[in-house]
Amino acid sequence: QQQVKQSPQSLIVQKGGISIINCAYENTAFDYFPWYQQFPGKGPALLIAIRPDVSEKKEGRFTISFNKSAKQFSLHIMDSQPGDSATYFCAARPQETSGSRLTFGEGTQLTVNP
Amino acid sequence: DGGITQSPKYLFRKEGQNVTLSCEQNLNHDAMYWYRQDPGQGLRLIYYSQIVNDFQKGDIAEGYSVSREKKESFPLTVTSAQKNPTAFYLCASSRYPDYGYTFGSGTRLTVV
Repeated sequence: QQQVKQSPQSLIVQKGGISIINCAYENTAFDYFPWYQQFPGKGPALLIAIRPDVSEKKEGRFTISFNKSAKQFSLHIMDSQPGDSATYFCAARPQETSGSRLTFGEGTQLTVNP
Repeated sequence: DGGITQSPKYLFRKEGQNVTLSCEQNLNHDAMYWYRQDPGQGLRLIYYSQIVNDFQKGDIAEGYSVSREKKESFPLTVTSAQKNPTAFYLCASSRYPDYGYTFGSGTRLTVV
């Protein structure tokens, strides 16, 4: 089974700090790497995504860094705010599957203290 | 507004009973998915469907069944064969071959 491993499981950051969540995938070619944000009792929502032909993508305070050779990608949240407190999931789509079937990481519960 | 509607938000059932969770989308998306979410285990794929009248098992399909008679609807039945059905269930859809998922707000099922 193809896997995406996410770390840490939980993260506590002070307001204004940088939150960093890491994901790694195994020996499979993936062609799409999204990050989802989930608030308690809600469904996940797409936050930002990257394709393997670029090494970094930035949208506001959120940045994805992608290292193709290491098979790793990470989410950086700059100037973290209490409103960013949520669970974050990384995901990846294998090239060989049809459709848009994503494989998700285990999730990271982020708490930003005021 | 376009989106995915899951109902009900909370569902309680007695052990041994089958229960059906509703998922409706008006996004004109081709593919639909059901995920189960348990604390600390991320999102696990139960079933998915890429077109009407066709669906495939995901990673944890045992004890579940689905149908896809209409493009807009993808109901999930949790049968009495599912050994640990209490969980948060999420429905999602996507427009093939685009990759992004749109999720519903989920149904929290509690079996007592």
